[in-house]
Amino acid sequence: DAGVIQSPRHEVTEMGQEVTLRCKPISGHDYLFWYRQTMMRGLELLIYFNNNVPIDDSGMPEDRFSAKMPNASFSTLKIQPSEPRDSAVYFCASSRLAGIFDEQYFGPGTRLTVT
Amino acid sequence: QKEVEQNSGPLSVPEGAIASLNCTYSDRGSQSFFWYRQYSGKSPELIMSIYSNGDKEDGRFTAQLNKASQYVSLLIRDSQPSDSATYLCAVKGGTYKYIFGTGTRLKVLA
Repeated sequence: DAGVIQSPRHEVTEMGQEVTLRCKPISGHDYLFWYRQTMMRGLELLIYFNNNVPIDDSGMPEDRFSAKMPNASFSTLKIQPSEPRDSAVYFCASSRLAGIFDEQYFGPGTRLTVT
Repeated sequence: QKEVEQNSGPLSVPEGAIASLNCTYSDRGSQSFFWYRQYSGKSPELIMSIYSNGDKEDGRFTAQLNKASQYVSLLIRDSQPSDSATYLCAVKGGTYKYIFGTGTRLKVLA
């Protein structure tokens, strides 16, 4: 069974440009999570979806960030306009349910560099 | 106080030794606990989960949970150089949210 798929794996862009990160969760998983990882702040939850509906976006740093999940097999995280401080590794994760026993599985991540 | 705390390390152990990684958490309502291993440049990989007080063993890995003291630990027996990685502790309460520690970097010396 395929794991969580993310694209692109690496993205280098200039400040002010729009960046779109993509994620395909594991088939049958109803929950999708977007995380950001930096050396300073570790792994931070940005937003999560249940059955394609955004449930909690309190971790989204500011209005420049937006996320969508148009169907059960695809989600995007968009940054517009991008800034150098957005440079990080962005992970997508999915889980079947969200109970205490449900485990999250991570995609390979997208390493974003904003110059 | 951080919600989930780990010593950043590096924790250096000789090959064949037992590596002991610790994690404390602040939310007494936390119900499930996970250890992820993350190699440099890779994504977190789930290696252990534990939900009840006591020990849970899986191969060379043992997770220990003490809810009264609010700590969870991971023991790696017969450490190998391939175990060198950052180990992330994650805690989940009554909601969906995983709260991650910042990780402990383990170095196993050959």
